Amino acid sequence: GNSVTQMEGPVTLSEEAFLTINCTYTATGYPSLFWYVQYPGEGLQLLLKATKADDKGSNKGFEATYRKETTSFHLEKGSVQVSDSAVYFCALSDQVQGAQKLVFGQGTRLTINP
Amino acid sequence: NAGVTQTPKFQVLKTGQSMTLQCAQDMNHEYMSWYRQDPGMGLRLIHYSVGAGITDQGEVPNGYNVSRSTTEDFPLRLLSAAPSQTSVYFCASSYRLAGTDTQYFGPGTRLTVL
Repeated sequence: GNSVTQMEGPVTLSEEAFLTINCTYTATGYPSLFWYVQYPGEGLQLLLKATKADDKGSNKGFEATYRKETTSFHLEKGSVQVSDSAVYFCALSDQVQGAQKLVFGQGTRLTINP
Repeated sequence: NAGVTQTPKFQVLKTGQSMTLQCAQDMNHEYMSWYRQDPGMGLRLIHYSVGAGITDQGEVPNGYNVSRSTTEDFPLRLLSAAPSQTSVYFCASSYRLAGTDTQYFGPGTRLTVL
């Protein structure tokens, strides 16, 4: 079945460092790809998405490009802030019995130190 | 708009007790779903609904029941709680079934079964 693999955490960086969180997927067809973020004590919220190959999703300084050839959707940010500390989930859309569901990676906990 | 709301935020049950986790959305979304979040496993789909009166199972449905009598509400019932159901539960909704659609998550219910 379809699956998502994220780099293992936790990841700890200093403020203004460059961030990469790796995400690769296995899927039949061409699913949409998502990054969701979960801040402490809150539910998940969409950070960015890409719906077809070579699309780049971006939001709040984060970017990710849908790479079909490497089946990847790595999350990047050029200069992280303390407020970016959260758990990040890579996900793909899948069809189960005719309905859409999200298949999630295991999540990567990011901590940014001042 | 309140978005997706969930109650309670925290709950402790004893083995064998029953309870209902509430979920409501005010965005007129047709599609609603329940996920559970366990450490190191991302989120897994429990049940979903594509509209009022229509529900179906996800990948981990055992021990849970759902119903959808209105567009707004999608309660999740635990009939006889077990320690393996200790988890954080998230309700989500989206406008359509399309794989490109964003799902909106509630803040979660943290359940502990003793």
